[in-house]
Amino acid sequence: EDQVTQSPEALRLQEGESSSLNCSYTVSGLRGLFWYRQDPGKGPEFLFTLYSAGEEKEKERLKATLTKKESFLHITAPKPEDSATYLCAVQGQGAQKLVFGQGTRLTINP
Amino acid sequence: EPEVTQTPSHQVTQMGQEVILRCVPISNHLYFYWYRQILGQKVEFLVSFYNNEISEKSEIFDDQFSVERPDGSNFTLKIRSTKLEDSAMYFCASSKHANTEAFFGQGTRLTVV
Repeated sequence: EDQVTQSPEALRLQEGESSSLNCSYTVSGLRGLFWYRQDPGKGPEFLFTLYSAGEEKEKERLKATLTKKESFLHITAPKPEDSATYLCAVQGQGAQKLVFGQGTRLTINP
Repeated sequence: EPEVTQTPSHQVTQMGQEVILRCVPISNHLYFYWYRQILGQKVEFLVSFYNNEISEKSEIFDDQFSVERPDGSNFTLKIRSTKLEDSAMYFCASSKHANTEAFFGQGTRLTVV
């Protein structure tokens, strides 16, 4: 059974303090790994797709990386508007469903 | 920018009643999904729909649930006889291909009383 575990559950940073969020996964053949951002009461907002180990994607202050067992979401010099829950999801070979982790709730204090 | 739209944003229903949640996926997308998120829990997959039929479903998606694409734009989730434990945020999503990113709507909060 495909599984995703995210750590930490919650992270509080000062504005400008860089850090990384972890997503560990087990899947029977990875088709894709997806990062989403979710604000309270809203739907997940797509950030990145990673398909193979070694791949990296970058957007503004966020950078996602992928190994065979985990993915990291690096946040550089975050701002208060980066506060949200960050979700990781995997899609197995031949599957259409996404299996989500429980998310990391990130708070950036000004 | 194209987006997935869901209606209503909030629905309150009595236990045992039928509800229909509606979604308009992104127009050139071919795969449609329903997910749900119980308060404080993970986002869970319910069903995917492609080429006018269910292509994958989870154990949650039992006989009480059904999906339909009644016309070229709408995609609906019907819960036949709601239970208290069906209370959750229901998200519709769509993707262009089976292995590309899914874009989610803002959700319908279903409250069963």
